[in-house]
Amino acid sequence: DTEVTQTPKHLVMGMTNKKSLKCEQHMGHRAMYWYKQKAKKPPELMFVYSYEKLSINESVPSRFSPECPNSSLLNLHLHALQPEDSALYLCASSQEIDNYGYTFGSGTRLTVV
Amino acid sequence: AQSVTQPDIHITVSEGASLELRCNYSYGATPYLFWYVQSPGQGLQLLLKYFSGDTLVQGIKGFEAEFKRSQSSFNLRKPSVHWSDAAEYFCAVGASGGATNKLIFGTGTLLAVQP
Repeated sequence: DTEVTQTPKHLVMGMTNKKSLKCEQHMGHRAMYWYKQKAKKPPELMFVYSYEKLSINESVPSRFSPECPNSSLLNLHLHALQPEDSALYLCASSQEIDNYGYTFGSGTRLTVV
Repeated sequence: AQSVTQPDIHITVSEGASLELRCNYSYGATPYLFWYVQSPGQGLQLLLKYFSGDTLVQGIKGFEAEFKRSQSSFNLRKPSVHWSDAAEYFCAVGASGGATNKLIFGTGTLLAVQP
């Protein structure tokens, strides 16, 4: 298995909702990443996990809460989002945190209404 | 600070023509450089990467890139473009940042292919 799987592919949520994005990989990678990509912009790093521990938080608002319950799974919990949070959320993984052989998932298209 | 510049926002080429996408980077040490491709609504796929060694790097789908330290460039090339190459292309530099490393992406070049 050489893929990063993200679910759901599309999500529409209200500003008072709580939802979660899920990312899964079975390549034995020990580093996992969340990126946010607005339309016509490059991906921007949000969080990095290494060996299931949060290694980087790029000053992301607390309404985004990451979780890495095991080495294969990465979640992003969403609460009280704003319309400007609408974006494509990409998950990626790599063998180690200093290995740039990232594998990206196809993303979750999030719309906040 | 590390940065990546892709001067061309949008490029149109005819099918079968050659292609060169420009990328300039700013980094104090030897950079790790990457080219990714993204089809609409999809994730990013790695085309090729440069860490060290031979400055001409071969990638997937017939792409290659050349690292030129004197010009701080890592331009992507393809001798004959296919209609399926239409996509957004991102150049990225691997940067060391504190306890970990992270990729910094350029703003992307949108490639359109004319029949």
